[in-house]
Amino acid sequence: SQKIEQNSEALNIQEGKTATLTCNYTNYSPAYLQWYRQDPGRGPVFLLLIRENEKEKRKERLKVTFDTTLKQSLFHITASQPADSATYLCALGLNAGNMLTFGGGTRLMVKP
Amino acid sequence: EPEVTQTPSHQVTQMGQEVILRCVPISNHLYFYWYRQILGQKVEFLVSFYNNEISEKSEIFDDQFSVERPDGSNFTLKIRSTKLEDSAMYFCASIWRVNSYEQYFGPGTRLTVT
Repeated sequence: SQKIEQNSEALNIQEGKTATLTCNYTNYSPAYLQWYRQDPGRGPVFLLLIRENEKEKRKERLKVTFDTTLKQSLFHITASQPADSATYLCALGLNAGNMLTFGGGTRLMVKP
Repeated sequence: EPEVTQTPSHQVTQMGQEVILRCVPISNHLYFYWYRQILGQKVEFLVSFYNNEISEKSEIFDDQFSVERPDGSNFTLKIRSTKLEDSAMYFCASIWRVNSYEQYFGPGTRLTVT
């Protein structure tokens, strides 16, 4: 069965450092992968999309990589700030408009 | 900035009762979704809806669930006879066209079944 794994343990880092979150998947061939941010009691908020034929995408302090051979995506937040503290979800999809399959999320805590 | 809205924010109901969760997607969006998230667990897909019919549904979306777009703005999820295990956050999401990827999520409705 399809499996998407994110580190379930919280990631604690110091302000100003780079946070790196991992998303691994098995038994799945997604056409694209997305990263969302979720704050407590709130809905997911879209951050970045990367397609299967792309290796890397950047948006401001965010960078995502996608390795379809390793079946892994890495999500980086550079110059992290306490306001970046949240749970980050990866989500995979087969085609545009199709359902998303979410990982369990990784909670990031950035300490001042 | 346009937002997906959901009402109510919190619904408490007794087991066996019917509930209707309401969503107003972003006005020019065409594709709609319901997801749920049991406390401490993953966000799970329930159903997608396009052109007034269901496009995809998961195993969770059994005969107890139904969706409807009763007018040009609302999108509803009905649970006919709630069970304790239906307690969760229910999120509505939408995209603006069929070949879009970014899903816009609402703030969610917390359903508590007692």
